[in-house]
Amino acid sequence: GAGVSQSPSNKVTEKGKDVELRCDPISGHTALYWYRQRLGQGLEFLIYFQGNSAPDKSGLPSDRFSAERTGESVSTLTIQRTQQEDSAVYLCASSLGRLNEQFFGPGTRLTVL
Amino acid sequence: QKEVEQDPGPLSVPEGAIVSLNCTYSNSAFQYFMWYRQYSRKGPELLMYTYSSGNKEDGRFTAQVDKSSKYISLFIRDSQPSDSATYLCAMSAADSNYQLIWGAGTKLIIKP
Repeated sequence: GAGVSQSPSNKVTEKGKDVELRCDPISGHTALYWYRQRLGQGLEFLIYFQGNSAPDKSGLPSDRFSAERTGESVSTLTIQRTQQEDSAVYLCASSLGRLNEQFFGPGTRLTVL
Repeated sequence: QKEVEQDPGPLSVPEGAIVSLNCTYSNSAFQYFMWYRQYSRKGPELLMYTYSSGNKEDGRFTAQVDKSSKYISLFIRDSQPSDSATYLCAMSAADSNYQLIWGAGTKLIIKP
């Protein structure tokens, strides 16, 4: 079956603009994660969705970052008023649950000029 | 100090060599330890998963966890050029809702 897909694969934007990143998880996976990976660094947790439970937003770095997910389907990560330090690869992963293997998408490479 | 430390490399070895990759950590509550492999411009993929201390072997890969030293290792035997990638360790604990804490990754280059 299909894996996790993300779009766009690359996004170049100007400082101050808003961007929206999309993640399509594996069908049937109730858990969905967003991570940020800066160049040469490990993954930084942003947000976690589990079914219809309230999301764990503890990793969001500022109120410019938000994410939504309807049920067990697509999720969107929105960054408002982008800053140059937001430049990174944004990775989405899905799993059957928090203790299960996470399957990653290829990421969206965001460049803020 | 980061919770999980990992040498970024690059580590360059000849084909066929045994490779040793390591991570150290500071949080003694970590119980679940993982190694992921990430090829360039791809997402990470799970290689090995270990609970608590001990060894686990899967083909050419062996994962070791030493909780007393807060040290984990991944060994790759008979390394191949296709093993060239970045290897990330990750770990989690029940008291932090199993949120994965990641090392920065070690870039491995296997020379033919």
